[in-house]
Amino acid sequence: DAKTTQPPSMDCAEGRAANLPCNHSTISGNEYVYWYRQIHSQGPQYIIHGLKNNETNEMASLIITEDRKSSTLILPHATLRDTAVYYCIVKADSWGKLQFGAGTQVVVTP
Amino acid sequence: GAGVSQSPSNKVTEKGKDVELRCDPISGHTALYWYRQSLGQGLEFLIYFQGNSAPDKSGLPSDRFSAERTGGSVSTLTIQRTQQEDSAVYLCASSSPYGTDTQYFGPGTRLTVL
Repeated sequence: DAKTTQPPSMDCAEGRAANLPCNHSTISGNEYVYWYRQIHSQGPQYIIHGLKNNETNEMASLIITEDRKSSTLILPHATLRDTAVYYCIVKADSWGKLQFGAGTQVVVTP
Repeated sequence: GAGVSQSPSNKVTEKGKDVELRCDPISGHTALYWYRQSLGQGLEFLIYFQGNSAPDKSGLPSDRFSAERTGGSVSTLTIQRTQQEDSAVYLCASSSPYGTDTQYFGPGTRLTVL
């Protein structure tokens, strides 16, 4: 599976949009982009995933560039409860392990 | 519906003892994964079950680690002769046989080896 690059940390003001970037320049055609987050002392929580098209659900939006070499996770109105480590993972369309990197530590401040 | 559940939530054991950790996947999910997260470390894959296929054990760190999945549902991760370096949070995830392999995680079991 392709490797991803994320900034180590990011601050965001409560109520503002949080835009989390991820680079995956070696992504293959059959690989999806997944986003998970891990709030302190909890298991990872699935957020969203996509292949080529932009995706939106009740938690977030995922914007994937046309060449699929990068993506952005958007939390539209960040709350204090969104403080967590966010992981961008590229994974083939088959069953198998998720490869977690270091992620981005997002801190939402009042 | 019910998510992935794990038990116990916390386990403290003495070095050299055996421990068993349990995972109940989401009903109907055929794929089940074990990961672990040591203090300050990332999540590390351990083992993966998919239906009746042979499990992928490529992530198990030593032969002291083993896992079973009986009846295609509940899984038990066993660590024999525990060592202090086994201290970690052990996480279980499951995914549906339909659609993509979106894995849903349980809350984890925090294992402390004294």
